[in-house]
Amino acid sequence: NAGVTQTPKFRILKIGQSMTLQCTQDMNHNYMYWYRQDPGMGLKLIYYSVGAGITDKGEVPNGYNVSRSTTEDFPLRLELAAPSQTSVYFCASTQQGVNSPLHFGNGTRLTVT
Amino acid sequence: AQKVTQAQTEISVVEKEDVTLDCVYETRDTTYYLFWYKQPPSGELVFLIRRNSFDEQNEISGRYSWNFQKSTSSFNFTITASQVVDSAVYFCALKGGTNAGKSTFGDGTTLTVKP
Repeated sequence: NAGVTQTPKFRILKIGQSMTLQCTQDMNHNYMYWYRQDPGMGLKLIYYSVGAGITDKGEVPNGYNVSRSTTEDFPLRLELAAPSQTSVYFCASTQQGVNSPLHFGNGTRLTVT
Repeated sequence: AQKVTQAQTEISVVEKEDVTLDCVYETRDTTYYLFWYKQPPSGELVFLIRRNSFDEQNEISGRYSWNFQKSTSSFNFTITASQVVDSAVYFCALKGGTNAGKSTFGDGTTLTVKP
């Protein structure tokens, strides 16, 4: 089982450039999330989706956009990259239900210089 | 609002020592789940265990054990006879019944087990 797949694994952007982080899952999970992890910090929620066509902001949405056209895919778009967006990004999915754990992708390490 | 606090930023032990990682949480939900995740040096995040708000029975799985106490809002994790492979960042997380499936994470505890 592939689980949650994120691409790319690493990326270096110049200030002002844009990019899309891809995330796809094959577990038919309705709920999907984007987190960022800064050094020595926990995971901060950027955006989440409870199903195709439905997205909502998390704690730190500024500078990002998402879409959810299918159950499987949940891409994260960075517009006008800034050094403050240097971080490791994790996509995750889960089944509906408070008892369901998160399944994470392997992360994307992004550096903005 | 939900909050998870892991007061221990870093812990260093020598192999075979026992170590306990602390987690304290805050929530207004009456139904919620607590989770522990492990992030080894390779970077992936792996689910370890979950416990619901109505089940205070402690659990032991091999060298790992978890102590959930609702009275003190704590969900602590103990590794017995630690090994080098236990070196990782450990995250405690809370998921409430009224939060659209969103999980709140602590800042993590970095455990280093020295040979």
